[in-house]
Amino acid sequence: SQTIHQWPATLVQPVGSPLSLECTVEGTSNPNLYWYRQAAGRGLQLLFYSVGIGQISSEVPQNLSASRPQDRQFILSSKKLLLSDSGFYLCAWSGGPKQFFGPGTRLTVL
Amino acid sequence: QKEVEQNSGPLSVPEGAIASLNCTYSDRVSQSFFWYRQYSGKSPELIMSIYSNGDKEDGRFTAQLNKASQYVSLLIRDSQPSDSATYLCAVIQGAQKLVFGQGTRLTINP
Repeated sequence: SQTIHQWPATLVQPVGSPLSLECTVEGTSNPNLYWYRQAAGRGLQLLFYSVGIGQISSEVPQNLSASRPQDRQFILSSKKLLLSDSGFYLCAWSGGPKQFFGPGTRLTVL
Repeated sequence: QKEVEQNSGPLSVPEGAIASLNCTYSDRVSQSFFWYRQYSGKSPELIMSIYSNGDKEDGRFTAQLNKASQYVSLLIRDSQPSDSATYLCAVIQGAQKLVFGQGTRLTINP
C-alpha cells in the first residue's frame, strides 16, 4: 500500500530564515506530487505540482520554490521566510484522479 | 464567482439525523468530484469520489452529483459525534489539479 511522509511535523522559524520541507511517497512509482498551504481558517491553496522528476509547475508566485530530485521525493523551500508564510503545509500524491494527503507540517513564522 | 463554493457553516445536526452538505462548481467540463473530511489540526482524508450523475453510496455516506446543475452533495446518515469535522468539496480541473471549496464545518450534537 502507498504511504506518504512529511517532516518535520511542526516548525517554528524566525522571519528571514530559510525553509526546507520534505515529502516522500512509498509504494508507488511516477506519482503526481503536490504542495498545498492552508492558512488558519482558510481553504487549501495549491502552491506547486509535479508530474515527474525535475518538472515543477508553480500556481502562485511568491517566495517559495519546489524541487523534485527523485521520483518519490518533493521538497518545498524558501530562502527567506515571511510572516505570511505561516500555515499548514500539505503534500499530496496521485496516481490517477484521486489525491491523498500526507500528515502535514505546521509552520509558524515569528 | 468562486470555482468551488460551499456554505462555510457551522452546520449543526443532532446525533442520529442526516447531515446534508452541498457544493457548487463553476467549470462545466469538470468530470471528477471528491469529498474530503478534515478533523481539526489534521490533514484532509478522502472519503468519497463520484464521476457520473446520480448517487454513490459507501456505508453511511452518499455522494450525489448533478452535472446539469453543477451541484455535488454529501449525505451522512445516522450522524455520529465522530463525524464532527470540516468537509471539503474538491473538483478536478485541467491535468489532475484539484480545486477545493472553503469547507463546511459540521458539528454533530449528542
